[in-house]
Amino acid sequence: GESVGLHLPTLSVQEGDNSIINCAYSNSASDYFIWYKQESGKGPQFIIDIRSNMDKRQGQRVTVLLNKTVKHLSLQIAATQPGDSAVYFCAEKGGGFKTIFGAGTRLFVKA
Amino acid sequence: KAGVTQTPRYLIKTRGQQVTLSCSPISGHRSVSWYQQTPGQGLQFLFEYFSETQRNKGNFPGRFSGRQFSNSRSEMNVSTLELGDSALYLCASSFEGQVTEAFFGQGTRLTVV
Repeated sequence: GESVGLHLPTLSVQEGDNSIINCAYSNSASDYFIWYKQESGKGPQFIIDIRSNMDKRQGQRVTVLLNKTVKHLSLQIAATQPGDSAVYFCAEKGGGFKTIFGAGTRLFVKA
Repeated sequence: KAGVTQTPRYLIKTRGQQVTLSCSPISGHRSVSWYQQTPGQGLQFLFEYFSETQRNKGNFPGRFSGRQFSNSRSEMNVSTLELGDSALYLCASSFEGQVTEAFFGQGTRLTVV
């Protein structure tokens, strides 16, 4: 079946360093891949998405890379800040109006 | 503008009971999706509604149902509650279900005892 998984459940980085969160997916037919951020006590918040025909997309301090050959997605956060501490989910969206979420990676930012 | 509102925020129910959760989407959004979030299973898709029609359903038993009203507000119902139904239930709205950016509410924390 469809699944989106994460390589690491926890990531700890020093404030100011760059963070890289990885994700593997299995459904090659997905149209979009998405990253969400969930802070404690809140619902997930959209960060950035990438269409399946792209391999890189940049946002504000974030970059998403898509490698369709190995079905791998990554989120890079530049100059990580304490406010970036959260759980990050990768997700995929194809036809059918549903979004499939991965298990999540918890990012700790050390001051 | 106001965000997605879910009520109630917390619920405690007994096994065998039923529960109804409510979601008010962002004004103008017509698509509402529901998710179940647990530590072990992560975020799992329950169903998606658009213009009062369920367009997609996840792999949950028939005890889980939902509906959407003409004002786009949505409810989900879980009947014959089981201990394993304890979870955070999240609602997300978007203008149209095919867009990737969905806006989530804070969720309803359901505890079944």
